[in-house]
Amino acid sequence: EVQLVESGGGLVQPGRSLKLSCLASGFTFSNYGMNWIRQAPGKGLEWVASISSSSSYIYYADTVKGRFTISRDNAKNTLYLQMTSLRSEDTALYYCARPRSMMVITPFAYWGQGTLVTVSS
Amino acid sequence: DVVLTQTPVAQPVTLGDQASISCRSSQSLVHSNGNTYLEWYLQKPGQSPQLLIYKVSNRFSGVPDRFIGSGSGSDFTLKISRVEPEDLGVYYCFQATHDPYTFGAGTKLELK
Repeated sequence: EVQLVESGGGLVQPGRSLKLSCLASGFTFSNYGMNWIRQAPGKGLEWVASISSSSSYIYYADTVKGRFTISRDNAKNTLYLQMTSLRSEDTALYYCARPRSMMVITPFAYWGQGTLVTVSS
Repeated sequence: DVVLTQTPVAQPVTLGDQASISCRSSQSLVHSNGNTYLEWYLQKPGQSPQLLIYKVSNRFSGVPDRFIGSGSGSDFTLKISRVEPEDLGVYYCFQATHDPYTFGAGTKLELK
């Protein structure tokens, strides 16, 4: 069974940094691209970043480009999102998601439960 | 960036009715490889989103055949025939043809 468990969220002051993790199990992590998607409280979904299976291809939303870094450790079956220069508008539930099949990045077939990031002083 | 416009914002329905949601793109979603990466997701209250449809009209594993995706170019539709209680929630279209990828704002399917 595919499982994705996010962690690392919490309360952080504006301008500070935070690193999220997504531990994957139930599949061969190194064969799949991975993604981060977020949802601000009471709002819609926003795609954040994607990374290919070997980290050769990385994509970011304009709203986070230059501040967030997506990465992965295939030996640890873990996806990361390093967030810097955090703003109040980054407050959201952050989901990691796996695509339906290998060698692609979407569609997002499997989702974690999310980890909540709150940016506030 | 590609803007996806979903209509209506809310769709009141009676159980057993058909529902239809539109997703219009600010530019064609046909990729240079010939595929159209338009997807549909449903987020039920308190849950993570779930994949319904990918590449316009392909149902994901386990998705009932009452969910039908159609369209081409920049105009897409999700039809739900015979709405059931478990279909209620917010539906999002999403495009992965153009970087950066984008979601529509969502359509809430709710009971009349």
